[in-house]
Amino acid sequence: QQQVKQSPQSLIVQKGGISIINCAYENTAFDYFPWYQQFPGKGPALLIAIRPDVSEKKEGRFTISFNKSAKQFSLHIMDSQPGDSATYFCAASTGANFGNEKLTFGTGTRLTIIP
Amino acid sequence: EAGVAQSPRYKIIEKRQSVAFWCNPISGHATLYWYQQILGQGPKLLIQFQNNGVVDDSQLPKDRFSAERLKGVDSTLKIQPAKLEDSAVYLCASSFRLAIIDTQYFGPGTRLTVL
Repeated sequence: QQQVKQSPQSLIVQKGGISIINCAYENTAFDYFPWYQQFPGKGPALLIAIRPDVSEKKEGRFTISFNKSAKQFSLHIMDSQPGDSATYFCAASTGANFGNEKLTFGTGTRLTIIP
Repeated sequence: EAGVAQSPRYKIIEKRQSVAFWCNPISGHATLYWYQQILGQGPKLLIQFQNNGVVDDSQLPKDRFSAERLKGVDSTLKIQPAKLEDSAVYLCASSFRLAIIDTQYFGPGTRLTVL
């Protein structure tokens, strides 16, 4: 199973709040989990990524939480700002240790931060 | 550093016509990807090049899609003949190495509408 399921499809959060986006996967061979941010009219841009040997990774206001046993990972955006309004994609892949594999993307979450 | 360039940005054609998209990756990046992003979905890898050789084209509909990367720099993706279901944004990305953990930098994409 190569599918990555992402939820919610859309999310509205008040400025200063915490935005949480969830993803679940079936393929236990996945060993690389990046999150991408995409603004309208632009290509996706890598935001943050995690390997399954850690349960959490934090970069600024962005945190990935990873639950290997549940096969789930989530993106938390702390102190959400209007500039964070974008579409977020989770992704997963195998092959992190030994080379090249393709990324399987989730269906995306459109995040809107309201003042 | 200049980003990934793509042209045209928009293209409208009728079904059964042909269309070509061009991509210029970031200078020095050996790996080039073409993705198809249908509205409301995450990007799906069509083809991946390492220099001027194809690494993975397993998801490329080869009866109508073709791609080349002459001289290991610029790349062209062609659709001939186009179908209605080909309406999507076609994204080009590049990375420095052939490694899934290497950041993929995306271009702005070409939005194709097939009527």
